[in-house]
Amino acid sequence: DAGITQSPRHKVTETGTPVTLRCHQTENHRYMYWYRQDPGHGLRLIHYSYGVKDTDKGEVSDGYSVSRSKTEDFLLTLESATSSQTSVYFCAISERTGMNTEAFFGQGTRLTVV
Amino acid sequence: QQPVQSPQAVILREGEDAVINCSSSKALYSVHWYRQKHGEAPVFLMILLKGGEQKGHEKISASFNEKKQQSSLYLTASQLSYSGTYFCGTVTSGSARQLTFGSGTQLTVLP
Repeated sequence: DAGITQSPRHKVTETGTPVTLRCHQTENHRYMYWYRQDPGHGLRLIHYSYGVKDTDKGEVSDGYSVSRSKTEDFLLTLESATSSQTSVYFCAISERTGMNTEAFFGQGTRLTVV
Repeated sequence: QQPVQSPQAVILREGEDAVINCSSSKALYSVHWYRQKHGEAPVFLMILLKGGEQKGHEKISASFNEKKQQSSLYLTASQLSYSGTYFCGTVTSGSARQLTFGSGTQLTVLP
């Protein structure tokens, strides 16, 4: 199994509080992604990174920010959590995008905003 | 923009065949297929690249029509273990760093 760990695995937080989710990899892969999964919407891309300090927005980036100061860590921050951000968040890694290399997913973080 | 998958759900008996379709409004560089079991992370099945190269699963096949920007996943002689939600992911020629997924197809295989 690919070495990818998400933390925390579960979190309940209050509306308006900041929340940071962490994705840690031991594979030295260049690309890292954050997705959220909601019923009926599948996996939607929030942000992605193609190298240290190189990040870009995905389809649903409003209300989220990311940082990647080291190859192995990709942080997702909800600046001020809202109930609409209740979701399951998945991190994924890959050596490259668009080439013949697959993405590996973490086990997910279930976030509930009350 | 998310690719469009069809059908949204399918139920079949063990041993039957199924086809899941994925289409994009943009020119595609590659198509990925993943399966997710309930409560678990998505797992890689197959990649299809522009130009015809494939990499993936032994018992599952897929096609990629570059001109139509479509891909289909073929599950033959389904087993109970095939149950799950299938996602297609696309990389478009204009956004080669983004892997964007569809909304998924829920496949249920009954004994």
